[in-house]
Amino acid sequence: LAKTTQPISMDSYEGQEVNITCSHNNIATNDYITWYQQFPSQGPRFIIQGYKTKVTNEVASLFIPADRKSSTLSLPRVSLSDTAVYYCLVVDTGGGNKLTFGTGTQLKVEL
Amino acid sequence: ETGVTQTPRHLVMGMTNKKSLKCEQHLGHNAMYWYKQSAKKPLELMFVYNFKEQTENNSVPSRFSPECPNSSHLFLHLHTLQPEDSALYLCASSQGVVDYNIYFGPGTRLTVT
Repeated sequence: LAKTTQPISMDSYEGQEVNITCSHNNIATNDYITWYQQFPSQGPRFIIQGYKTKVTNEVASLFIPADRKSSTLSLPRVSLSDTAVYYCLVVDTGGGNKLTFGTGTQLKVEL
Repeated sequence: ETGVTQTPRHLVMGMTNKKSLKCEQHLGHNAMYWYKQSAKKPLELMFVYNFKEQTENNSVPSRFSPECPNSSHLFLHLHTLQPEDSALYLCASSQGVVDYNIYFGPGTRLTVT
């Protein structure tokens, strides 16, 4: 399983763009990069998934360089409600579901 | 609303009690999971069921006993738990076991006294 490393915490202010970078040096060919968001006392929620280059949806953008050894989750114009823990996961889609969560990045957004 | 419901939302039990956690998914998924989230620890995958069959037991102590009567329902039977078993227990489901998009329930906050 490819291990991921991401910052433990980040602080931001409302209206700013937040970029959370995750490293996954041992990523394999079958692996996809997936991000989840978790609010306190709730289960995690899928945000975005990608394999390479850039993926964008209504919530976030995901940037993946050519070597795929890292990825960056970009949250545009954050608000207080974006305060949550963000998890970067590498998922082996070729060998069954092995969603392994790390400690995630605690994002705190202030006024 | 995630489509995955869990009951009860909060549970306090003594170490000699027997209780069960219930999970139901309304998404037509075939795979269901139990995760444990302890304070300041990563989520730990406990059990995986695919089409009602258990496909993974992540070295979970036998005091936790899962049951999956059909693809929509999942139970976690608890007996003789320890205080360190206090945690948030999350149920989840996905279309299949190779699906990276897993839908989590709100969890059951368990306290063992």
